[in-house]
Amino acid sequence: KQEVTQIPAALSVPEGENLVLNCSFTDSAIYNLQWFRQDPGKGLTSLLLIQSSQREQTSGRLNASLDKSSGRSTLYIAASQPGDSATYLCAVFTGNQFYFGTGTSLTVIP
Amino acid sequence: EAGVVQSPRYKIIEKKQPVAFWCNPISGHNTLYWYLQNLGQGPELLIRYENEEAVDDSQLPKDRFSAERLKGVDSTLKIQPAELGDSAVYLCASSLVGQNRNEQFFGPGTRLTVL
Repeated sequence: KQEVTQIPAALSVPEGENLVLNCSFTDSAIYNLQWFRQDPGKGLTSLLLIQSSQREQTSGRLNASLDKSSGRSTLYIAASQPGDSATYLCAVFTGNQFYFGTGTSLTVIP
Repeated sequence: EAGVVQSPRYKIIEKKQPVAFWCNPISGHNTLYWYLQNLGQGPELLIRYENEEAVDDSQLPKDRFSAERLKGVDSTLKIQPAELGDSAVYLCASSLVGQNRNEQFFGPGTRLTVL
């Protein structure tokens, strides 16, 4: 069974800092990997999706990379802002099911 | 384009009572998912529909949970009777399987509190 791990569980940084969130998965046979943001009491908002054949995707200040052979993905956030404070989850799609990590809770301090 | 719609947003019931949640996926999405999310955890799949067929319900506690997706569009998830441990957020998501991206989109969730 696919297992997805996100480290650290929580992260606190000062505003303006660049940061990296990590996601690892145990089975490299994935179809794609998706990064989500979840604000307290809300649903998940899709940030970036990387196909298994891709190495990275970018959207604004966000850059997600994928190394399928090593079972790793990173989400890079440039010039962090207080509005980036949220929980970030990654999910891998195996072709018939999504497996989620437990998330990294990010706090950006003004 | 409207996103995934869920109702109600919040529900408080006493244990042993029934409860139902409703989800309307993004128009044209053939796959619908129901997830359960506990505090501090990632979503856990309860059931997955492709059109009107439940293709994965292995994690659905069938003694008390049931779901339906009539006509392959909106869906209802029911719990009867509810237990204290069912308190959680119930998330609905949809995607268009078969397309290149297969990106999943979530609704706002229903927060259930069982007293």
